[in-house]
Amino acid sequence: EIVLTQSPGSLSLSPGERATLSCRASQSVSSSYLAWYQQKPGQAPRLLMYGTSSRATGIPDRFSGGGSGTDFTLTISRLEPEDFAVYYCQHYGSSPPITFGQGTRLE
Amino acid sequence: QMQLVQSGAEVKKPGASVKVSCKASGYTFTGYYMHWVRQAPGQGLEWMGRITPNTGVTDYAQNFRGRLTMTRDTSISTAYMELSSLRSDDTAMYYCARVLGFTVDCWGQGTLVTVSS
Repeated sequence: EIVLTQSPGSLSLSPGERATLSCRASQSVSSSYLAWYQQKPGQAPRLLMYGTSSRATGIPDRFSGGGSGTDFTLTISRLEPEDFAVYYCQHYGSSPPITFGQGTRLE
Repeated sequence: QMQLVQSGAEVKKPGASVKVSCKASGYTFTGYYMHWVRQAPGQGLEWMGRITPNTGVTDYAQNFRGRLTMTRDTSISTAYMELSSLRSDDTAMYYCARVLGFTVDCWGQGTLVTVSS
């Protein structure tokens, strides 16, 4: 079973700053199977990135994703007030099909 | 516009069962896996299992085997998640989630299940 470890657990930044969130897999994974979600309080998660670096529909281009093998990153180039939320990485595999990281709180 | 609409909040006693529904609209229900994910208060996302709507084949996370049953009714495009022998640590928001390819592209609004004596 692949385990995803996100760091840092929380990140304190200000609007306009750059945020870099990390997701490390316990073994090498295909970049096609790595996604990122944003979750705001009281809401369901929302898909941000899929296939490591492809933005989902409607996601602004200040969000970007990268990485390969075991190390993946989500970067927000210039934080907007609405970007302060919890972010989860996710891997799609065989058993179990879906694994989530524990989340990074951006505050 | 694809949408997943879940049933309302539930309060259950320890040892009881809960059944949550998830009605799909705006897409072909039988064309995509339906997964269930839960989130305990203040915690992260936990995958519970999935159902293949056109066949009814299920795949459950190890943590829930023996207590979890997923079913579907294709005539009304609805998936169901039933969890039995509820404990206080089953208190959580439960989400249904449609998977497209390798990602969840549509989430239900969530159903809060509270287990309390």
